[in-house]
Amino acid sequence: IAGITQAPTSQILAAGRRMTLRCTQDMRHNAMYWYRQDLGLGLRLIHYSNTAGTTGKGEVPDGYSVSRANTDDFPLTLASAVPSQTSVYFCASSDSAFKAAGYTFGSGTRLTVV
Amino acid sequence: AQSVTQLDSHVSVSEGTPVLLRCNYSSSYSPSLFWYVQHPNKGLQLLLKYTSAATLVKGINGFEAEFKKSETSFHLTKPSAHMSDAAEYFCVVSDPPYSGYALNFGKGTSLLVTP
Repeated sequence: IAGITQAPTSQILAAGRRMTLRCTQDMRHNAMYWYRQDLGLGLRLIHYSNTAGTTGKGEVPDGYSVSRANTDDFPLTLASAVPSQTSVYFCASSDSAFKAAGYTFGSGTRLTVV
Repeated sequence: AQSVTQLDSHVSVSEGTPVLLRCNYSSSYSPSLFWYVQHPNKGLQLLLKYTSAATLVKGINGFEAEFKKSETSFHLTKPSAHMSDAAEYFCVVSDPPYSGYALNFGKGTSLLVTP
């Protein structure tokens, strides 16, 4: 089934630990995105990638890093987790970074930093 | 950057009555606008999108939205609410090209449908 796979589904993480959230798509979409969702704030863009090999910062990039070594994978890394990074994280993809095409979202990763 | 404002954080309607969820946007470009729905503990589902074609956009599950440039609005409506419509709704605008047309989300409107 075509779509986006996020892993893990949920995670409890000790503060100060490093964590990588995985995102894989099988639609050969060029553009990929990471959002975090917090109650009352909607979804906010963390990082994005227009195409493999390029990345950019979104609205709330601090404390996060991404890489885009190939078209399919777009992992999000928390180098040293803090409680304020407790959130639900959504990965998304689009078949073009140059027009507002259809977006596909993953099912999300619920992260709790304690 | 472009942005959206959802004018109501909570809306409550009775089953069978009309639904109106309000959204205003700000944009220096020709925007693309979307409405997404999120049911409890679920992912995001696209309801409808406006991309400079017809100003009245029909979506899934009987929802529609009208793009009004003069009012910078993109309100979501449905003639008759169903219990299954209870969810969080997000109005969304696409960002300028420098951020790869990433989506810029409103803060959401929680729709409650009462029997």
